[in-house]
Amino acid sequence: KQEVTQIPAALSVPEGENLVLNCSFTDSAIYNLQWFRQDPGKGLTSLLLIQSSQREQTSGRLNASLDKSSGRSTLYIAASQPGDSATYLCAVSDTNAGKSTFGDGTTLTVKP
Amino acid sequence: ETGVTQTPRHLVMGMTNKKSLKCEQHLGHNAMYWYKQSAKKPLELMFVYSLEERVENNSVPSRFSPECPNSSHLFLHLHTLQPEDSALYLCASSQGRDRLPFFGQGTRLTVV
Repeated sequence: KQEVTQIPAALSVPEGENLVLNCSFTDSAIYNLQWFRQDPGKGLTSLLLIQSSQREQTSGRLNASLDKSSGRSTLYIAASQPGDSATYLCAVSDTNAGKSTFGDGTTLTVKP
Repeated sequence: ETGVTQTPRHLVMGMTNKKSLKCEQHLGHNAMYWYKQSAKKPLELMFVYSLEERVENNSVPSRFSPECPNSSHLFLHLHTLQPEDSALYLCASSQGRDRLPFFGQGTRLTVV
């Protein structure tokens, strides 16, 4: 059974800092890995999707990396802003592009 | 309208009621999803439809019945629900399973 763990559960940083969110998974036979953000009381926003054959994906100030063999992904946020405050979720899909497993999320607070 | 629209936004139903959640996407996508987000639990992917065919059903109880009459609409029919089914139900769509999904705002369901 796939398990996804996100560490830390919560993170508070001053504005402007670069930061890394971590996601680990127990079964390396994945199809893809996705990062999402969720703002309080709102739905989800997709951020990045990394196929199992890829190492990283970038979108603006966000960079996600994937090390399938070690079961790890990181989300790097450069020059953090208060608007980045949200809960960040990672999810992995299994080899058949079927079942997806989500982590519990990391709640990020960026202080002005 | 654009994007992914879910109705209703809030729903309160009794355990003997039958209700339906509706999702509509105006993005031209060919895959649609239902997710469940319960308090203090990881997000769960419930159903996936690709080209109007159900391709994934993650061990969801039969009291939840999805329907995808065309590529733009997705329903979740609910009957004989339990209080523990109270959650935020999110719909999403994507252009193929390899692309990032776009989410609706969700339906907050309370079963009494």
